[in-house]
Amino acid sequence: KAGVTQTPRYLIKTRGQQVTLSCSPISGHRSVSWYQQTPGQGLQFLFEYFSETQRNKGNFPGRFSGRQFSNSRSEMNVSTLELGDSALYLCASSMGLAGVGTGELFFGEGSRLTVL
Amino acid sequence: TQLLEQSPQFLSIQEGENLTVYCNSSSVFSSLQWYRQEPGEGPVLLVTVVTGGEVKKLKRLTFQFGDARKDSSLHITAAQPGDTGLYLCAGGTASKLTFGTGTRLQVTL
Repeated sequence: KAGVTQTPRYLIKTRGQQVTLSCSPISGHRSVSWYQQTPGQGLQFLFEYFSETQRNKGNFPGRFSGRQFSNSRSEMNVSTLELGDSALYLCASSMGLAGVGTGELFFGEGSRLTVL
Repeated sequence: TQLLEQSPQFLSIQEGENLTVYCNSSSVFSSLQWYRQEPGEGPVLLVTVVTGGEVKKLKRLTFQFGDARKDSSLHITAAQPGDTGLYLCAGGTASKLTFGTGTRLQVTL
């Protein structure tokens, strides 16, 4: 069974640019959650999508957005990049809603974004 | 805002030692999960506890959920180098999974 796939694994952008990250969940999983991980702030929740609908959103500015397609694949976009957006962006898939906290989240290896 | 504080932040011990990691919050959670993350990888689920006072064992790892469902602990007996990694607790409510601040464990020979 293929795991969660995130692309690209590494990318470098400059301030003001935008970036799109992609996540393919495990087959059959309908929920995709996105997290930002930095050494100082730890793992911060961005948003969760379930059946193409955003079900929950973290405390991030509107520059961070996402969507989910009918095949459950998800993308997140960050516009007008800032230096502080440098981080590891992790995607996780699950059968049901992740927020309930009883099902297992399966994480991808992440996309490491560096903003110069 | 729900916060999950983990302690200690960093822990460096030798093989064979025992250790306990704590996860504390002022909020009540319906469930508590523990994940381990190794360098270059995403976190991997170790255990889920849902009942106050619940204790679960996974080989040398013992997990406990506090009676009030506000805190949890992870105890490792006879640590091994393979236990090295970032340990994250995560509290679940009806709508959101909140991750703790993390404990980075290094086990040396």
